[in-house]
Amino acid sequence: AQTVTQSQPEMSVQEAETVTLSCTYDTSESDYYLFWYKQPPSRQMILVIRQEAYKQQNATENRFSVNFQKAAKSFSLKISDSQLGDAAMYFCAYRRWATSGSRLTFGEGTQLTVNP
Amino acid sequence: SAVISQKPSRDICQRGTSLTIQCQVDSQVTMMFWYRQQPGQSLTLIATANQGSEATYESGFVIDKFPISRPNLTFSTLTVSNMSPEDSSIYLCSVAGTEMSYEQYFGPGTRLTVT
Repeated sequence: AQTVTQSQPEMSVQEAETVTLSCTYDTSESDYYLFWYKQPPSRQMILVIRQEAYKQQNATENRFSVNFQKAAKSFSLKISDSQLGDAAMYFCAYRRWATSGSRLTFGEGTQLTVNP
Repeated sequence: SAVISQKPSRDICQRGTSLTIQCQVDSQVTMMFWYRQQPGQSLTLIATANQGSEATYESGFVIDKFPISRPNLTFSTLTVSNMSPEDSSIYLCSVAGTEMSYEQYFGPGTRLTVT
């Protein structure tokens, strides 16, 4: 079974600074997807960024980028120029590549605080 | 993208009663998922619901406690039966588009408190 681990229950960053959230996972599969989701106090789960395991290039979405290390099974999220609106719970998630079983396996989450 | 609505957004229920949560999607989707998020914790998959077939439940979740209906490709319900305070959680509906779609969209969640 796949597992996802986020070892940082809480992180804080100053506004305009950069922060990196860590995620490791365990799988025996070679093809899969990895995601970072954001959950603000509104409870709405928002997809921040995704990475296909077969792609060597790290995904980027504006101020958000990942460091995907497939051999190390590591998938960290870097938030640049942090904004107050980035404050939220961040979840790392894994999804199998297979056509069936497209459920997500989530990590425990990292609560990010952005200080003005 | 898919727009998902859930009803109710929140409820406070007495122990021993049941609550049915509705999930409505603005487009036809193959797979729908129901997750539970206990206070301060991550999301745990309850079951996967495909239209026209029985829902598939994850370990630790049973149909008698969490019956699910999936009458068509845009709608599903989750019932939390014979509730206890331990059922107090946020329940989220999620959908995937096609079978190969990497994208999963989430509803706004239903916050359930059992007293």
